[in-house]
Amino acid sequence: NAGVTQTPKFRILKIGQSMTLQCTQDMNHNYMYWYRQDPGMGLKLIYYSVGAGITDKGEVPNGYNVSRSTTEDFPLRLELAAPSQTSVYFCASSPRQGAGGELFFGEGSRLTVL
Amino acid sequence: RKEVEQDPGPFNVPEGATVAFNCTYSNSASQSFFWYRQDCRKEPKLLMSVYSSGNEDGRFTAQLNRASQYISLLIRDSKLSDSATYLCVLDTGRRALTFGSGTRLQVQP
Repeated sequence: NAGVTQTPKFRILKIGQSMTLQCTQDMNHNYMYWYRQDPGMGLKLIYYSVGAGITDKGEVPNGYNVSRSTTEDFPLRLELAAPSQTSVYFCASSPRQGAGGELFFGEGSRLTVL
Repeated sequence: RKEVEQDPGPFNVPEGATVAFNCTYSNSASQSFFWYRQDCRKEPKLLMSVYSSGNEDGRFTAQLNRASQYISLLIRDSKLSDSATYLCVLDTGRRALTFGSGTRLQVQP
């Protein structure tokens, strides 16, 4: 039972580099989300998707891009990494908006930008 | 004003103690409320939903006060394994759930 899988788990980037955080879910959920969590802080929504082909911005989208070509995959792209993007990134999914409050999270991707 | 406010703690309590956390919210249109638990360096997981009538699950009791716009979580007979950060979460009917910064609980032997 894989659930939500994120890769990589850890990554160190240099300023200005680009990378993609991968997220895959095998629960056939329509809704998928990317959050970031800075130390001692709550989760902030970066982007979300309500289904394949549909994405929208969250609270903190600047510096990121997403795509949703399939129900299963929701990659997050960082184009020009900056130290402010050092954070833990969580991908999550749910079968519908609200969904009783239950989001299914991946284990997180810890990104450091130096 | 933040949409969700929580005392960051840490709350240091001995095993067997009863501990309570509050969370206040500013958006009166918030529809549903939840408590999530997050272990150190792990992903958040749903602990329980919060209903106006109160909700109990074993040693955990959650309550909602809409008039005063706060929710609470009470943990009885604390265990070492309860040590974690507890996140207050709202569903305002917008795009996604809104997370508080969390309250850290440390249960000591």
